[in-house]
Amino acid sequence: DGGITQSPKYLFRKEGQNVTLSCEQNLNHDAMYWYRQDPGQGLRLIYYSQIVNDFQKGDIAEGYSVSREKKESFPLTVTSAQKNPTAFYLCASRNERDRGSKNIQYFGAGTRLSVL
Amino acid sequence: DQQVKQNSPSLSVQEGRISILNCDYTNSMFDYFLWYKKYPAEGPTFLISISSIKDKNEDGRFTVFLNKSAKHLSLHIVPSQPGDSAVYFCAAGTPGGYQKVTFGTGTKLQVIP
Repeated sequence: DGGITQSPKYLFRKEGQNVTLSCEQNLNHDAMYWYRQDPGQGLRLIYYSQIVNDFQKGDIAEGYSVSREKKESFPLTVTSAQKNPTAFYLCASRNERDRGSKNIQYFGAGTRLSVL
Repeated sequence: DQQVKQNSPSLSVQEGRISILNCDYTNSMFDYFLWYKKYPAEGPTFLISISSIKDKNEDGRFTVFLNKSAKHLSLHIVPSQPGDSAVYFCAAGTPGGYQKVTFGTGTKLQVIP
């Protein structure tokens, strides 16, 4: 049963703390993405990765970091430098090799991060 | 600069009637457009897409219309069902290696039984 798994579903961060959100996919997709959603706003791109060991900043990368050591995994770290981290975080992946669906991003269920 | 705009934050429709969700864009380089449906506390799921070379794409109860000259697209749901109640995001993508996708702010559809 292929898909994208995000964990945890809910996460709380203390002041000055770094937290890491997990994203795992077994769809064999090369491209992976992290988005942030705030109330009343669309999805804003934080980071993306097209291939293992390579990733690029999106529109709002400040205060975040990522790694892509394995094709299946694209964890996002919210650092203490991110002053307003409370949001719903979404991970997505895309199959660039499938001509019929190469433009479609498939999303995980999301992680809601709150600040204590 | 909001390149993809959904000017109606919410829409209410009676069950069985047509739902029309609108989306406007400003970037003429957008090559393809997608609609996603999102339930609370879940990730968006892909609904339907359209390439810039087409003006209509249909999939069951869902039809997307593209008017390139007006930089406008719309999603029609006929007939609307209570299970269609969700937030609908319009998204647009540019061609190229990375294929960046820009999302609108969403329209919350409520289908009233």
